[in-house]
Amino acid sequence: GEDVEQSLFLSVREGDSSVINCTYTDSSSTYLYWYKQEPGAGLQLLTYIFSNMDMKQDQRLTVLLNKKDKHLSLRIADTQTGDSAIYFCAERLHASGGSYIPTFGRGTSLIVHP
Amino acid sequence: DVKVTQSSRYLVKRTGEKVFLECVQDMDHENMFWYRQDPGLGLRLIYFSYDVKMKEKGDIPEGYSVSREKKERFSLILESASTNQTSMYLCASRGTVRDEQYFGPGTRLTVT
Repeated sequence: GEDVEQSLFLSVREGDSSVINCTYTDSSSTYLYWYKQEPGAGLQLLTYIFSNMDMKQDQRLTVLLNKKDKHLSLRIADTQTGDSAIYFCAERLHASGGSYIPTFGRGTSLIVHP
Repeated sequence: DVKVTQSSRYLVKRTGEKVFLECVQDMDHENMFWYRQDPGLGLRLIYFSYDVKMKEKGDIPEGYSVSREKKERFSLILESASTNQTSMYLCASRGTVRDEQYFGPGTRLTVT
């Protein structure tokens, strides 16, 4: 099965809050990330959280981490049409050659209705 | 700001052709990656490189090879393109502070 799981779609009304959820499997992950992909573009790092934190807030974004349940969430307050994109959850894993390889979820398509 | 560029945004090739996808990063990162992205499947790692002339297979290396002759450049090669290699190809390099990835804009390859 997948190492990182997230639902594929989320639809919200403009001005509401969006919550995108993710579960991961490796409890030794030290960093967990959220990336955003706008249509026709590559991924951009949106925010990250270090594993010794429970919460991180950055303007309209709030990341919550529950290490016991291996659950990560991204909350977007006051969602705007410009937030419509695919959001990827990722965890950092160690790989061969001393490099760190992220494992990505399949991405959640956020659709914001006016 | 880190910049990762890819040689083409759109590419159309014929079955059996040899295809080169180029990626360049300007931040002296040691690690670089090639992914393909398909609807419903997310990102799948093809190959990565942790140093010049070093490479490691990812999850789906079959039908692909890579070249890293210089630190800033990582090339993906489709030896004999097939229609099932029609996809979006994303290159990335890894930052050194939080191991975050920096992605290029992607190359949408169509093999006919």
